[in-house]
Amino acid sequence: DTGVSQDPRHKITKRGQNVTFRCDPISEHNRLYWYRQTLGQGPEFLTYFQNEAQLEKSRLLSDRFSAERPKGSFSTLEIQRTEQGDSAMYLCASKQGVEAFFGQGTRLTVV
Amino acid sequence: DQQVKQNSPSLSVQEGRISILNCDYTNSMFDYFLWYKKYPAEGPTFLISISSIKDKNEDGRFTVFLNKSAKHLSLHIVPSQPGDSAVYFCAASLYNNNDMRFGAGTRLTVKP
Repeated sequence: DTGVSQDPRHKITKRGQNVTFRCDPISEHNRLYWYRQTLGQGPEFLTYFQNEAQLEKSRLLSDRFSAERPKGSFSTLEIQRTEQGDSAMYLCASKQGVEAFFGQGTRLTVV
Repeated sequence: DQQVKQNSPSLSVQEGRISILNCDYTNSMFDYFLWYKKYPAEGPTFLISISSIKDKNEDGRFTVFLNKSAKHLSLHIVPSQPGDSAVYFCAASLYNNNDMRFGAGTRLTVKP
């Protein structure tokens, strides 16, 4: 399988805990994106990497959120001190041209 | 700010008939438009796209029409099949830009 993969698929955490998600993009894609999707809404852009450089961050990305892409390969998204409002599907996508290819997402539930 | 809007949250059509999904946008700077399909428990999958220099793009049963003056695009599926039942998202961006804006999606149900 050479698509975008995300781990874990589901995460349930208690409010205040930290969580980390991983994304493995399509290997030849140098651009990697994180999106968040809540019920009834389309995906919302969070942040973007070109290789290992984080070039853009949405204002949706509070200081509790941090993303990394060491060595320009896989990426991690960490949420510190989770809040119930963080409950959402977190999607990773990679692209080389214009079309983005998405992973299956990580569904986060904060209880 | 919702720059991309899909005003119909759901659409139901009979198998074999045409499905028409609509999308409106407000930012006239957008120059590339995409449609994604999403099944439950999966990420969105790319379906078809169109550049603003065109007004139509066709790929098999799927055709996207772009009306720049009205800031409107539509996706036509002919003939519709039960396997087409999914949520369809419209997205818009500046060419090669990183902030692709999505609509809220339209749930299509194709009845056998």
